[in-house]
Amino acid sequence: AQSVTQLGSHVSVSEGALVLLRCNYSSSVPPYLFWYVQYPNQGLQLLLKYTTGATLVKGINGFEAEFKKSETSFHLTKPSAHMSDAAEYFCAVSDRRGYGQNFVFGPGTRLSVLP
Amino acid sequence: GAVVSQHPSWVICKSGTSVKIECRSLDFQATTMFWYRQFPKQSLMLMATSNEGSKATYEQGVEKDKFLINHASLTLSTLTVTSAHPEDSSFYICSARDSGNTEAFFGQGTRLTVV
Repeated sequence: AQSVTQLGSHVSVSEGALVLLRCNYSSSVPPYLFWYVQYPNQGLQLLLKYTTGATLVKGINGFEAEFKKSETSFHLTKPSAHMSDAAEYFCAVSDRRGYGQNFVFGPGTRLSVLP
Repeated sequence: GAVVSQHPSWVICKSGTSVKIECRSLDFQATTMFWYRQFPKQSLMLMATSNEGSKATYEQGVEKDKFLINHASLTLSTLTVTSAHPEDSSFYICSARDSGNTEAFFGQGTRLTVV
């Protein structure tokens, strides 16, 4: 069975500082990996995804993530935080064998950006 | 990206009544739709997976007679919460994908409050 862990339920950074949100997964086969952002009372917006190819993936709003198979990690980073980045972030995995099946979310990390 | 519209965005109903939530894919045909439930400050929990024209597959612990899912067309899936109780109050989110995509597109969510 697949599972996702996100270290740190709440992360605070100062505006302009580096953002690092951690994600580790457990899967018997290399999965598809995703990062989503959720603003209050809204659905999820895809930030980026890894399926195949280059392990460093660039997404929207200046975010990027690197798939490290040896570490089973897919950490999300952004060089300089902006106030508008404050939101809930979810890492998710999906079984390659049938996309959308076994789509598992991590518990989420709430990012606060301090002025 | 593709657009998934979820309606209503919020609803308040009395205990014992039924509430229907709609999930529409506006610019693509969704062969598969997913329904999630999200409790405050928690992650998304998959409730069921529905494929157009067939019965939904419910996750363990989800009452199929209470949460009725219909996916009658390639652009519409509905979730009906029957005989709602206050403990059914939650944020419900749908997502949809087409057969050729590696991405699921999310609706904006529905906040259900049962009083």
